[in-house]
Amino acid sequence: QKEVEQNSGPLSVPEGAIASLNCTYSDRGSQSFFWYRQYSGKSPELIMSIYSNGDKEDGRFTAQLNKASQYVSLLIRDSQPSDSATYLCAVHASGGSYIPTFGRGTSLIVHP
Amino acid sequence: GAVVSQHPSWVICKSGTSVKIECRSLDFQATTMFWYRQFPKQSLMLMATSNEGSKATYEQGVEKDKFLINHASLTLSTLTVTSAHPEDSSFYICSARVRGTTDTQYFGPGTRLTVL
Repeated sequence: QKEVEQNSGPLSVPEGAIASLNCTYSDRGSQSFFWYRQYSGKSPELIMSIYSNGDKEDGRFTAQLNKASQYVSLLIRDSQPSDSATYLCAVHASGGSYIPTFGRGTSLIVHP
Repeated sequence: GAVVSQHPSWVICKSGTSVKIECRSLDFQATTMFWYRQFPKQSLMLMATSNEGSKATYEQGVEKDKFLINHASLTLSTLTVTSAHPEDSSFYICSARVRGTTDTQYFGPGTRLTVL
């Protein structure tokens, strides 16, 4: 069974700090990785996608992928209270089906 | 671009009735749509994958006769919860994959169903 693991948190960081969110996955053949942000009572919104080993930066967000370790992370620089949300890691299964598997999400709290 | 809408945004119904939820891709064609259910403080649970013009593929444990999915066009998929019961109360979210791509999916705003 393909699994995506995330620490449920909550992860609490002060405003302006770097928040680091982590995700591990079991399917070694996975090729596509996504981070979504979900505010309470709302649907997920896509933050970033990453496909290759290394870092990918987009504004205050940096996604990091290490396929050998089956590990993907999301860094949020200069965290703001508005970043407080649940962050979902999603991995697309190998084999061409592209069916996503979501982690349970990590709750992030950015306090002023 | 890549906007997905859902209707209704919330619905309250009596036990035993059926409820239809619509999912539309507004500015793109979606060959594949996904239906998820999310209970409070839990992650998304994929219910089914819907491909335009063909029968939906349901995940293990999801009753296809209870959750009827129709994907009649490249911009519309519907989920009908038949004979709803209080345990069906949940947040139902659809997402759509842009035609011609295999990766990124865009989520609708969700429909909160409460069954009394």
